[in-house]
Amino acid sequence: AQSVTQPDIHITVSEGASLELRCNYSYGATPYLFWYVQSPGQGLQLLLKYFSGDTLVQGIKGFEAEFKRSQSSFNLRKPSVHWSDAAEYFCAVGPRDDKIIFGKGTRLHILP
Amino acid sequence: GAVVSQHPSRVICKSGTSVKIECRSLDFQATTMFWYRQFPKQSLMLMATSNEGSKATYEQGVEKDKFLINHASLTLSTLTVTSAHPEDSSFYICSARGGVAKNIQYFGAGTRLSVL
Repeated sequence: AQSVTQPDIHITVSEGASLELRCNYSYGATPYLFWYVQSPGQGLQLLLKYFSGDTLVQGIKGFEAEFKRSQSSFNLRKPSVHWSDAAEYFCAVGPRDDKIIFGKGTRLHILP
Repeated sequence: GAVVSQHPSRVICKSGTSVKIECRSLDFQATTMFWYRQFPKQSLMLMATSNEGSKATYEQGVEKDKFLINHASLTLSTLTVTSAHPEDSSFYICSARGGVAKNIQYFGAGTRLSVL
């Protein structure tokens, strides 16, 4: 069965520090992979996506993610976080029956 | 990027009334729209998928008579919560897919529904 696991419910980092959010997936074929960010009370904004090709993808706001087929992972990284990065981050995989499956999310807290 | 507008952003209603939420794709034609429900501090739960001009496909456990979905045009889908009850209080989010980026869902800002 297809699934997405985000092992960390909460992550706290200091402003200016590097960030890595983990995402593991289970999918029968080559997946489409996404990272979305959600600020409190808001919808989801697409940070980046992987469909094929270069396994290191660049996104908006300085984020990048690397697709590692051997590890079934698609971890999100940022070299230096800003206070405005505090939000909920969702990894997603698809398509399955025309839908995408979301992980449970990781809430990022930033220490000043 | 593609813009999806969702309205209203917040609605408070009395128990037993119906509430309509609109989802519009502003700069692309949305062949498919999705409606999600999000409980506090949880992920998104897909409620239904709607294709323009067709009946919506509901996920298991979602009452189609309570959550009426209409996708009458390529830029507008509506979700009507009929005879709302306090347990329907939640955050509802729509997304739309279409145009050049067929495999990407673009999300609205969500609607916070509070039923008194």
